[in-house]
Amino acid sequence: EIVLTQSPVTLSLSPGERATLSCRASHSVSNYLAWFQQRPGQAPRLLIYDASHRAAGVPARFSGSGFGTDFTLTISSLEPEDSAVYYCQQRVYWPPLTFGGGTKVEIK
Amino acid sequence: EVQLLESGGGLVRPGGSLNLSCAASGFPFSSDAMSWVRQAPGKGLEWVSSISGSGDIIHYADSVKGRFTISRDNSKNTVYQQMNSLRDDDTAVYYCVKSVGLDMKLDYWGQGTPVTVSS
Repeated sequence: EIVLTQSPVTLSLSPGERATLSCRASHSVSNYLAWFQQRPGQAPRLLIYDASHRAAGVPARFSGSGFGTDFTLTISSLEPEDSAVYYCQQRVYWPPLTFGGGTKVEIK
Repeated sequence: EVQLLESGGGLVRPGGSLNLSCAASGFPFSSDAMSWVRQAPGKGLEWVSSISGSGDIIHYADSVKGRFTISRDNSKNTVYQQMNSLRDDDTAVYYCVKSVGLDMKLDYWGQGTPVTVSS
C-alpha cells in the first residue's frame, strides 16, 4: 500500500500570500497524483490531476508539480475562499486507492 | 452537467444493514467506473469500493471486504452499496464518486450521505 504523507498539517496565511503544500509518497507513483480541495461542509473537489494538470474550472492560481515521490500544490495568491482542507491521492497502485492525511489552509 | 445524488444513509445499530444508492446523470454512465469514498467525523478520506463501467471488475478496501457489496444498474444509471454487519467505525459520510473508465481519476463527487452506526 502506498502511504501519502502531507505537510504541514495546518498552514495559516494572509490573503495574497503564497501557499506551498507538500505530499510525499512512500514509493514512486510516477505522475499519478491528484489534489482535492474540501471546503467546510462540502464534498471534495478535484483541483489537480496527474501531478500538474488543472481540472476544469479551477483558477490559475492553483498549480501542481512533482514526480515520483515528492509533490507540491501551490496557491500563488490566497483568496478567502481558499480556506479548506487539501488532500492528495494516488492512483498508480490500487487497490487500495490512498489519500494523504490532509493540510488545512487557514486564511488570517 | 454531471450530477451524483446519494441516498439511503441513516442511523443503524451495530450489526445492522443499510443500502446506499447513487443516482447519476450528465455523463455516459455505463462507460465510467464508480466508487464509494467515506469520511469519518473530523477525519480524512478513505476509499471503500470501486466498480467498473460494465460491473465485471470490483475492488474493496480490506476494512469492508466481506461486509460491503458494490453493484450497479446501468439501465437506471445507479450504483449501490449494500452494507452489512455494520460497526461503529463505519460511521462516516459516504461519497459517490465517478472516474473516467477505471483510471481512478476521481473527477466528480456527490454531496454525500451520512451513516451513523450506534446503539
